[in-house]
Amino acid sequence: DVKVTQSSRYLVKRTGEKVFLECVQDMDHENMFWYRQDPGLGLRLIYFSYDVKMKEKGDIPEGYSVSREKKERFSLILESASTNQTSMYLCASSYGLAGRAGELFFGEGSRLTVL
Amino acid sequence: DQQVKQNSPSLSVQEGRISILNCDYTNSMFDYFLWYKKYPAEGPTFLISISSIKDKNEDGRFTVFLNKSAKHLSLHIVPSQPGDSAVYFCAATPFDNTGKLIFGQGTTLQVKP
Repeated sequence: DVKVTQSSRYLVKRTGEKVFLECVQDMDHENMFWYRQDPGLGLRLIYFSYDVKMKEKGDIPEGYSVSREKKERFSLILESASTNQTSMYLCASSYGLAGRAGELFFGEGSRLTVL
Repeated sequence: DQQVKQNSPSLSVQEGRISILNCDYTNSMFDYFLWYKKYPAEGPTFLISISSIKDKNEDGRFTVFLNKSAKHLSLHIVPSQPGDSAVYFCAATPFDNTGKLIFGQGTTLQVKP
C-alpha cells in the first residue's frame, strides 16, 4: 500500500514564526503536491513538484515555499506564519499524471493553527 | 474563480436510497474527472473517475455520469449506506500534462440509518 506520511498532525504556531511541514512518500512517486483545505473552498493547490529540486506554483503560492531535495520528501515552508494560513494542509503524491497514469494518494493532513 | 463547483454544501439521505452528488465545471480544457471521498481526520481517497470520451463509469454502488455539453457531472451512490457518510470532492484535470487536479468545494453527505 502506498503511504504518504505527514510529520505533524496538529501544530500551533505564533504569527511570524517559520513553519515546516514535512511529507514523505514510500512508493517512489515522481509527483508530489501540497494542498490546503478550507471550509467552503475545497482543496486548493499551493505547490507541486515533478522531480527532485523541481517545483511549480499552484493556485495559491503566496506566503509559501517548498523544498524537494530527495524524491520521497516534499516540504512546505511558511516563512512567516500569518493567521490566514490557519488551515488543514494535505500532501499528496502520484506516479505519472494525476488522474491518468496514477491517482493522487493523500496523507492524513496537518492541522495548523496560527495565533 | 472557481473552475469546479459543488453548489450543495450538504446532502442528507436515508439508508438504502440513492445519493446524487452534483458538480459543475467551467473550463472546456478539462478532460478527466474524479471523485474523492474524505472522512474526518483522514486524507481524501480516490473513489471513481471518468474520461471525457465517456458519459458513464460504474464501479459497484458508485456511478459517475458526465454531460459535457452542460459541463456537469454527478456521482450516484445506490444503495446508500451509513458508512458512505463523508465529504465528497469532485476534481478535474486539463489535458495539458501538468498533472494538476482542480477540486470543488466538497459536499458533505450524511446517510441516516
